[in-house]
Amino acid sequence: AQKITQTQPGMFVQEKEAVTLDCTYDTSDPSYGLFWYKQPSSGEMIFLIYQGSYDQQNATEGRYSLNFQKARKSANLVISASQLGDSAMYFCAMREIIQGAQKLVFGQGTRLTINP
Amino acid sequence: NAGVTQTPKFRILKIGQSMTLQCTQDMNHNYMYWYRQDPGMGLKLIYYSVGAGITDKGEVPNGYNVSRSTTEDFPLRLELAAPSQTSVYFCASSAPNQQGPEAFFGQGTRLTVV
Repeated sequence: AQKITQTQPGMFVQEKEAVTLDCTYDTSDPSYGLFWYKQPSSGEMIFLIYQGSYDQQNATEGRYSLNFQKARKSANLVISASQLGDSAMYFCAMREIIQGAQKLVFGQGTRLTINP
Repeated sequence: NAGVTQTPKFRILKIGQSMTLQCTQDMNHNYMYWYRQDPGMGLKLIYYSVGAGITDKGEVPNGYNVSRSTTEDFPLRLELAAPSQTSVYFCASSAPNQQGPEAFFGQGTRLTVV
């Protein structure tokens, strides 16, 4: 079964609009972490934001916020006031502890294109 | 501060050849990972390590081997390269959660098998 599901292969948004990238996850571990990474066309993986499973408040980092709905097992990324430089692949990832080992698994990604 | 360093950046292999992708981190992280990313796809975990001398299989380990003789190094070995192993390979490292959650990635190795 997919541990991390990103249902939007691609999204197109007008510059300056807000955009929400969806992510749902599946785990039976009560302690886990959720991440979003950005991968521009140059290929590197850029860490954006982190949410711990016990965190009471939604994580925010500048224009990025994570809409964490634990009961629904969703961790959507919200980018406010999108910019042309936000065009990239975005990956949701989950860290869970399995038999004492920390594993990091990724979703399939969403390609975001910001139109001027 | 180097972070995670992968070599080489690019490589072309012929079918049946073997090679080792090198990965070194200087952050004293316990956890290290190897992923592959096929075009337009997400990252799939090949192998991971929770510390020196301890490795385990991820999602797609077939055709690969790893070793972890030191905390810093986590090389990935391809034996008998096949076209299906054409991909971009990423090495990553992270500390236990209480020391900071982020996983740090290398720049990637683009491998083509022809």
